[in-house]
This record gives sequence, C-alpha cells and structure tokens, in this order.
Amino acid sequence: GAGVSQSPSNKVTEKGKDVELRCDPISGHTALYWYRQSLGQGLEFLIYFQGNSAPDKSGLPSDRFSAERTGGSVSTLTIQRTQQEDSAVYLCASRVTRDQPQHFGDGTRLSIL
Amino acid sequence: AQSVTQPDIHITVSEGASLELRCNYSYGATPYLFWYVQSPGQGLQLLLKYFSGDTLVQGIKGFEAEFKRSQSSFNLRKPSVHWSDAAEYFCAVGPNDYKLSFGAGTTVTVRA
Repeated sequence: GAGVSQSPSNKVTEKGKDVELRCDPISGHTALYWYRQSLGQGLEFLIYFQGNSAPDKSGLPSDRFSAERTGGSVSTLTIQRTQQEDSAVYLCASRVTRDQPQHFGDGTRLSIL
Repeated sequence: AQSVTQPDIHITVSEGASLELRCNYSYGATPYLFWYVQSPGQGLQLLLKYFSGDTLVQGIKGFEAEFKRSQSSFNLRKPSVHWSDAAEYFCAVGPNDYKLSFGAGTTVTVRA
C-alpha cells in the first residue's frame, strides 16, 4: 500500500492476555518507530528500528513489552500479560532517512478489560 | 526528563481569523521541537520542526512557529485559518528527531 499499515485497527482483550500488534511500513523505508498514546496524554516513544542496527528500546515501559522487525520490513509489537494501563492507541511510523518526515499509520486502539 | 504542555485543550476560531496554539516544554538542553497535525481519519503529519538556527520556523500549510528559549515555548501560529485547518495539533520535544515526548494535543474547530 501507499502508507503505513497497522493491524488490527482495534483490539479488545482481557487483562493478563498477550497481544501482538503489527506494522507494515512503507516499502523502502529503513527506519521504523513505535509510539503509544494513552487517553488524555500525548504520544510517547517506545522503540526505533534502523536497518540492521540494534534497535533503540529505551522507550519501552517494562519488560512485558518487546518488538521485532523481520527482514527489515514488517514489525510486531508484543505486550505480554497485559494490564489495564496498557490501554492506548499504538502508532507506528516509518521513513526513508532521518532527514525526511515520519509517515504515521492510523494506529491500533488497544483496550484491556 | 522531557515534557510538553499544551495549555489549551480546545480552541474555536472563525475562518479567516488568526490562530495561535501554545506549547511549553521542559528539557535540560537545547531541544528538538516539532508540531504535528492530525486531521480526522488521517495519520499524524509533520507541520514544522526546529533544531537550531533561526528561531522563527516556517512550515507547511502556512504555519509558523517561534522558539523562545527564555520562555521555554514553541507556539504555533497561522495568520488566516481555513476550514481545512480543523484538526488536532500536537507539540513534541526530544533530544533528537524521534525520541519525542508529545503534548496531549489541542483540538481546533473552525467556524464559518
């Protein structure tokens, strides 16, 4: 597709379950980012992938959060043993190089019951 | 720690009138500053950014922002608002161009 694609668009799950969120970046974009937006708050950085380099995981809030990027393209953000405070919109962005603007997906709205 | 405050949750402005959105940040060094816009049904789009140099930054769609270090502010302005400017606007700060903290956003409504 022409833009960053995220799936699912909405996810409702019970507390304690694991969830996987998927991001398909724009083809050819080597940089990929995950952010989350909690209710009433701004986005916060989670993790950054650049090519084959080790990802910058400094924004991950706990060890329940992890992310992978396979083949330098698709990325999966995994949240284990979900908690209610994990409820948020999770946004993915990609770009070709650091001097270009990020292109954001529409996000996945995650609700933990 | 870095943080951003957007004091105005919602602003209503008449079409053709000027618009100013406030952004105050907290950051220990010279920050990277950004304004993003999110229109209904669309993803975030970068309006403008400041790294260094001229403190008055021009962006897309006729927007500009001014970095004022003494006030820790980076307010966004547009001289004449169009109905298509109705959207949510986010200010962001960080040590680089991706490890950002965003404000909670300001929703702009444009009335005819």
